[in-house]
Amino acid sequence: QKEVEQDPGPLSVPEGAIVSLNCTYSNSAFQYFMWYRQYSRKGPELLMYTYSSGNKEDGRFTAQVDKSSKYISLFIRDSQPSDSATYLCPNMNRDDKIIFGKGTRLHILP
Amino acid sequence: DAGVIQSPRHEVTEMGQEVTLRCKPISGHDYLFWYRQTMMRGLELLIYFNNNVPIDDSGMPEDRFSAKMPNASFSTLKIQPSEPRDSAVYFCASSPGGRAFRYEQYFGPGTRLTVT
Repeated sequence: QKEVEQDPGPLSVPEGAIVSLNCTYSNSAFQYFMWYRQYSRKGPELLMYTYSSGNKEDGRFTAQVDKSSKYISLFIRDSQPSDSATYLCPNMNRDDKIIFGKGTRLHILP
Repeated sequence: DAGVIQSPRHEVTEMGQEVTLRCKPISGHDYLFWYRQTMMRGLELLIYFNNNVPIDDSGMPEDRFSAKMPNASFSTLKIQPSEPRDSAVYFCASSPGGRAFRYEQYFGPGTRLTVT
């Protein structure tokens, strides 16, 4: 079983729509949940992270963790073309190693 | 702060040649990570250092790969000899440490390596 599973996309949505990006993870001991954003030909950048369960909001972005179902979500409100990027949700495997994976490619159509 | 600095940004070399990638972490950060990114495998951790000491190198693919961190402001990743399958983007990242050291990472712009 993979430590993190994401739909690779690409996910294409019109500008202004609400975007929902999702990850499932397998390591139930994991406590920190993060989202990184990577623009084309750039390094990943930390978008937001949260500890344990619940929601965290930052501007147009909301991260949601459901530990009971091992599900992580990122919601983007009022999506903009500048949100077009690859979104990564790293996790830790049982060897305590961070796993990034391939992420989900998002295209916001003007 | 200038952020994480990597050089060169692009490297094209022939199979069998030695390649050296360089990284300068953010000042004051205690952790340094080297990653490789390809379309097939995504972003993979190769090795990371804490206070200049290698902690986990289990992601280094082969003995052809080696990494050093002689001081807090400089690290190298060396491939000798290089092979076409090493073609990828190599990222360096640093972290300030603390409780979330593995998760709060700051990435450099990457080095795009092409081995022909």
